Order: sequence, then C-alpha cells, then structure tokens
Amino acid sequence: NAGVTQTPKFQVLKTGQSMTLQCAQDMNHEYMSWYRQDPGMGLRLIHYSVGAGITDQGEVPNGYNVSRSTTEDFPLRLLSAAPSQTSVYFCASSYAPGQGQYFGPGTRLTVT
Amino acid sequence: AQSVTQPDIHITVSEGASLELRCNYSYGATPYLFWYVQSPGQGLQLLLKYFSGDTLVQGIKGFEAEFKRSQSSFNLRKPSVHWSDAAEYFCAVGAGNTDKLIFGTGTRLQVFP
Repeated sequence: NAGVTQTPKFQVLKTGQSMTLQCAQDMNHEYMSWYRQDPGMGLRLIHYSVGAGITDQGEVPNGYNVSRSTTEDFPLRLLSAAPSQTSVYFCASSYAPGQGQYFGPGTRLTVT
Repeated sequence: AQSVTQPDIHITVSEGASLELRCNYSYGATPYLFWYVQSPGQGLQLLLKYFSGDTLVQGIKGFEAEFKRSQSSFNLRKPSVHWSDAAEYFCAVGAGNTDKLIFGTGTRLQVFP
C-alpha cells in the first residue's frame, strides 16, 4: 500500500492564481481531512470528509474548496491564492473516528 | 471552546534521560486523544492513542501516555530518550463521529549526546 499520497511536493503560485492540491489514499478509509501547518500554530483543520459525497468545514475553510467524489481522492482547491495561504498542507485519512489518522508527506506552498 | 495546550514549546534533554511532554485539553465530550511525532520535513506519525479503556497506553518507539480525566491531561513519557527521538511532538484531541481533530501547537524536543 502507498498509504496517503500528496502531489505536488512543492508549489509556488502568484497571488490570484488557482490550483488544486491532490490527495489520494489506498486504504479504503472513509474519513479524510486537510490541514495546514504554520510555524508556532500546530495543525489547523481546513476541511474534512466522512465519506464520498460528504464534506464539511473545519477551523480555517476560507479560500479553500473540497469535493469527495470517490473514497480514494480528496482534492483541495485554492480559488484565488493569497500570501496568507503560504503554508505546508497535509492530507490525512482514517478508517474510523478515534482510531488515528494517517498523514501524507505534505505539500509546501508558497504564494508570492 | 475546545482547545489543546502544550505548554512547553521547546525541551532539551540528555540522551538516556527520562522525558515527559505535557498536554492539557478542554473538551466538552468524552475525548479520544493522540500523540504524533514529526521529523523535519516529514509528515506526522502516530505514536499512540487513547480511545477508551485502560488510561495508560503504550505506543511505538517505547513511548507511553496516561489519560487523567480529572486533570484533563494526556502527558507523553519515555523512560530513556535516544538521539533519534529529536523531533516535534503534537498532542491532538477529538470526539464524536466525525474524526475532527484539534492539535496543540507542538513541543520541539532536542536531545544532547
């Protein structure tokens, strides 16, 4: 199993550009989440999903969209990138609440 | 409001010394609790979890943690630290059936030989 994979590993955007961060898992996990990690702030939840077709907002959803058309994939879309979205983004998945989330390797995004 | 506090931003220990990393939480419901470790430039790896049952839980790499409901704490311990334990450690808490987690701000562990 590849586990949780994320692409790209690095990305530089200009302000106003849009892009999609890809996340896929091959463990048949129903639960998936997107986090951003900023220095001194830990991880903050952006959006999460409890199954295909079901998504909801986390703590910091503004400027981001998600969809979950399949169990495997959970892409994160930046609609109009802003310098405040410069961060490291992590995708995670789990098979049930409370059992522990598996994390991808992260995407480092810089917005200039 | 739900929150997780890791009061120690940075801890330095000598190799072979014991370690305790603190985690306090504020959560209205019965929580489930986790400790994760992150090496530089890497993703997060689950060290251990408390979901229910025995309040002393064992994890990987020789770590353990104790859930103390009366103190709203879930401190991570290791009796003898190895140089390879140098990393950042995150406590996280969740509840209910959505698997939404709240993370603490992390504790960076430095290990001297």
